[in-house]
Amino acid sequence: EAGVTQSPTHLIKTRGQQATLRCSPISGHTSVYWYQQALGLGLQFLLWYDEGEERNRGNFPPRFSGRQFPNYSSELNVNALELEDSALYLCASSNAGVLTDTQYFGPGTRLTVL
Amino acid sequence: AQSVTQPDIHITVSEGASLELRCNYSYGATPYLFWYVQSPGQGLQLLLKYFSGDTLVQGIKGFEAEFKRSQSSFNLRKPSVHWSDAAEYFCVGGGITGTASKLTFGTGTRLQVTL
Repeated sequence: EAGVTQSPTHLIKTRGQQATLRCSPISGHTSVYWYQQALGLGLQFLLWYDEGEERNRGNFPPRFSGRQFPNYSSELNVNALELEDSALYLCASSNAGVLTDTQYFGPGTRLTVL
Repeated sequence: AQSVTQPDIHITVSEGASLELRCNYSYGATPYLFWYVQSPGQGLQLLLKYFSGDTLVQGIKGFEAEFKRSQSSFNLRKPSVHWSDAAEYFCVGGGITGTASKLTFGTGTRLQVTL
């Protein structure tokens, strides 16, 4: 069974640009979660999508947005990039959006903003 | 507010020695608690989880954790550490805010294993 996949592995952008990160969940999983792992800040919850809808959002500005497609894959968009957006962005998937479901994580996309 | 605290940023142990990683949580009701491990260059992997029932939880790779409500702790233990256990370990708490579930990650403990 294939795990959670993310693309690209690395992404380099300049300040003010937009970044698009992609995530494919494990087959059969309907929930996708996005996390930001910035140096010194640990993992911060960004967004949760389930069945195509945004279910929950962390404490991030509106320039962080995303969507979930009918095949349950997901996209995270970061507009007007700032230097502090440089981080590892992790995607996770689960069977359903309940806490008892294990979240399976992808390897991440490392975003560098210059 | 829901929070998870890992007091130790960095721990070094010798291979074969026992290990205990500390985790304290602050939740209104019984939280859902997890331990994840992140090895260099890899994604996070679930070691074990606790929802209810037996307070001693067994996980993969020989790890276990004990839920202690009186101490608000969920410490991770392993009787004998292997060099391959060197990684970053995250204690994670889950709760429900309104109708939405949310995970809160601790800041992590980096484990170094000396030979």
